[in-house]
Amino acid sequence: KAGVTQTPRYLIKTRGQQVTLSCSPISGHRSVSWYQQTPGQGLQFLFEYFSETQRNKGNFPGRFSGRQFSNSRSEMNVSTLELGDSALYLCASSLDSGTTITSPLHFGNGTRLTVT
Amino acid sequence: AQSVTQLDSQVPVFEEAPVELRCNYSSSVSVYLFWYVQYPNQGLQLLLKYLSGSTLVKGINGFEAEFNKSQTSFHLRKPSVHISDTAEYFCAVSARSNYQLIWGAGTKLIIKP
Repeated sequence: KAGVTQTPRYLIKTRGQQVTLSCSPISGHRSVSWYQQTPGQGLQFLFEYFSETQRNKGNFPGRFSGRQFSNSRSEMNVSTLELGDSALYLCASSLDSGTTITSPLHFGNGTRLTVT
Repeated sequence: AQSVTQLDSQVPVFEEAPVELRCNYSSSVSVYLFWYVQYPNQGLQLLLKYLSGSTLVKGINGFEAEFNKSQTSFHLRKPSVHISDTAEYFCAVSARSNYQLIWGAGTKLIIKP
């Protein structure tokens, strides 16, 4: 079974630009969560999508948005990039929403975003 | 609300020595507890989890953790580490009522040859 695939692996953007990151979950997984990982803040939850609906949202500004398609693939968009958005963005999939006890998160290798 | 504290940002240890990575949590409700590992340039993967039952939980790669309710701790241990255990280890907690994971800041395990 293929794992969680995130594309691209690396991205360099300029302040003020926007960026779209993509995540393909494990086949059959309907929940996709996004995390931002930085050395200073650790792992911060962005949002979770389940069956094309946003189920949970972390404490990030509206510049961060996402969506999920009918095939469970998800995209995350960041508009008006700031230097502080430089981070590793991780996507995780699981079978069901809110059931991490029975369906653990499976993470992709992440997209490393650098904003200059 | 829940919170998780990983007391050490880095733990250096010699190869084949035992290691303990510490995790404490605070919560006013019952929780589930997890340890995830992140190898260099990779995403996270589940090492082990405590849901209920026996307080000693065994995971992959020879790791185990013990849930101590009175001390609100869930420390991760391995009796003998390998160079391949070099990674960052994350402790996480979720309330039994809402399942949203709260993450610790991570502990980098550094294996010295």
